Amino acid sequence: RKEVEQDPGPFNVPEGATVAFNCTYSNSASQSFFWYRQDCRKEPKLLMSVYSSGNEDGRFTAQLNRASQYISLLIRDSKLSDSATYLCVVDGLGSARQLTFGSGTQLTVLP
Amino acid sequence: GAVVSQHPSRVICKSGTSVKIECRSLDFQATTMFWYRQFPKQSLMLMATSNEGSKATYEQGVEKDKFLINHASLTLSTLTVTSAHPEDSSFYICSATPVGLAGLTDTQYFGPGTRLTVL
Repeated sequence: RKEVEQDPGPFNVPEGATVAFNCTYSNSASQSFFWYRQDCRKEPKLLMSVYSSGNEDGRFTAQLNRASQYISLLIRDSKLSDSATYLCVVDGLGSARQLTFGSGTQLTVLP
Repeated sequence: GAVVSQHPSRVICKSGTSVKIECRSLDFQATTMFWYRQFPKQSLMLMATSNEGSKATYEQGVEKDKFLINHASLTLSTLTVTSAHPEDSSFYICSATPVGLAGLTDTQYFGPGTRLTVL
């Protein structure tokens, strides 16, 4: 089993649609959770951290369910500029703060 | 915000040559930097953790004699791919976690990556 598993995608949605990505992680001791976005041939950029209480940043809402070891990202009113690969990221054990990346879900927002 | 640079951004080399990639934190200090590799349509895979002033910690399956890491200062880590072969062609990305910057210590900032092509 992979340490971080994501929806395989790709997701092709029209502008204005709402889209949800799911992610599960295997290490119950993980403490920090993130969503990154990666544009084609570029480095990942932090989109948002994910907290147990859930958090929202504009059109983006992230939720964490520790009991189910499940993370989600909801994008409302999607824009063309949201087209990217979304990476679910979980921190590793130890003080080095190593991150484990999911394989990513590709999103294409269509005009 | 915290900025990480990488140099070169792109390199093409012949099989058997060595390639050095630099990773710099431009406006913060980082005692720890990370090196990742990403093959097409795959996720980032951690190769090694680079610690300033000490030896790097390599992930299982990564040859430390092939991928030499030097972290000589709090703002610079280098990755040298020795005797590169076509299968080493990949996107190499570094990241760093700021030390001492309030509110930022839990975040890793990524360099723009280096695309290596070995012919």
